[in-house]
Amino acid sequence: TQLLEQSPQFLSIQEGENLTVYCNSSSVFSSLQWYRQEPGEGPVLLVTVVTGGEVKKLKRLTFQFGDARKDSSLHITAAQPGDTGLYLCAGRLTTDSWGKFQFGAGTQVVVTP
Amino acid sequence: DTAVSQTPKYLVTQMGNDKSIKCEQNLGHDTMYWYKQDSKKFLKIMFSYNNKELIINETVPNRFSPKSPDKAHLNLHINSLELGDSAVYFCASSQADRGQFFGPGTRLTVL
Repeated sequence: TQLLEQSPQFLSIQEGENLTVYCNSSSVFSSLQWYRQEPGEGPVLLVTVVTGGEVKKLKRLTFQFGDARKDSSLHITAAQPGDTGLYLCAGRLTTDSWGKFQFGAGTQVVVTP
Repeated sequence: DTAVSQTPKYLVTQMGNDKSIKCEQNLGHDTMYWYKQDSKKFLKIMFSYNNKELIINETVPNRFSPKSPDKAHLNLHINSLELGDSAVYFCASSQADRGQFFGPGTRLTVL
């Protein structure tokens, strides 16, 4: 059973459009991360959020951690082809041993010119 | 400078063979991990070491044996390889809960 549910599984949009990816759980996380993975490479860390309600911005990417620390979202404004990739959320449960991260199944994003 | 490196990048071998994958990180992190990514891209943790001590050992066949000679290195040895072991294996490192840094992956194909 996956503790982190990502939606949608697949997203295809045109360059310039906006998109949002969701990461939801019924469990509470002490921290949550977002990664982007491109074909043939390892996931690359984009952001870590630790405080409920926290909002972080990375250029055109906006990350939000839910108030109850059970969910998160990634919003991309004016998407570009370079944003194409597999977006993964991951987090550590408050009840888990230190160092163990749970991963979502990923959202494949395709941005066409 | 490569933060987390793995060797080899590709590994093609016959069923029943024994193989090793090596990982090194130069980030000064205390914790290192091995993950398996299946064909559906799901990342599943296998092992984690903190300062050379095993702290996470998920339900993994005992044909898989990790070894950490020091906190910058974490190797994975696999005995008696099976077809189902074919996957991409990622090494990663982290410091506290700040997120993980992944290596480029080792694509293992068992024939």
